[in-house]
Amino acid sequence: DQQVKQNSPSLSVQEGRISILNCDYTNSMFDYFLWYKKYPAEGPTFLISISSIKDKNEDGRFTVFLNKSAKHLSLHIVPSQPGDSAVYFCAASVASGGSNYKLTFGKGTLLTVNP
Amino acid sequence: NAGVMQNPRHLVRRRGQEARLRCSPMKGHSHVYWYRQLPEEGLKFMVYLQKENIIDESGMPKERFSAEFPKEGPSILRIQQVVRGDSAAYFCASSVTGDNQPQHFGDGTRLSIL
Repeated sequence: DQQVKQNSPSLSVQEGRISILNCDYTNSMFDYFLWYKKYPAEGPTFLISISSIKDKNEDGRFTVFLNKSAKHLSLHIVPSQPGDSAVYFCAASVASGGSNYKLTFGKGTLLTVNP
Repeated sequence: NAGVMQNPRHLVRRRGQEARLRCSPMKGHSHVYWYRQLPEEGLKFMVYLQKENIIDESGMPKERFSAEFPKEGPSILRIQQVVRGDSAAYFCASSVTGDNQPQHFGDGTRLSIL
């Protein structure tokens, strides 16, 4: 049972344009969400997170939007740069519960930013 | 390098052998997590440890897998009598506390079973 779904295995955008990566979840108990970026042969690198008490969090070129009613979140990267080319993982946890450390990951979306 | 350190980066074992994967957390981090990534899949939680304590091992297979985080030294993920299905990337992460803190990951150990 895939509780965190990233339905687009890949996404290709032009340098300078906006990249929008999407993530859906089925577990209504999830209340803390994170995005990680992963280059080949490296570990995931934390990018940005959002708590369910917010609907938006911004950090430089990265913005995460959360729509709790739709159980959907998205990561916007503006402007996209070739160095952003990587696999992006969405992850979720039940922050208010006893196992808030247990991250559930999606399968990832490969973003390619073309010069 | 103050990041999470994992070794070895690549490990090849024959079926039936033992695999030992090591993880040193970031400086100042006392919470360690192990995840496994199968090909074309996301990372799956295996176990959460603090020094000398296993807090949650609900994601660990019931047999052949064990983990420890001793008072001194790195955390160890041990797989006994490896089988082909154990081939995967094993990632370790650490955090300052266990509460809503981003987990910082090492570069993983890629385990291949011949």
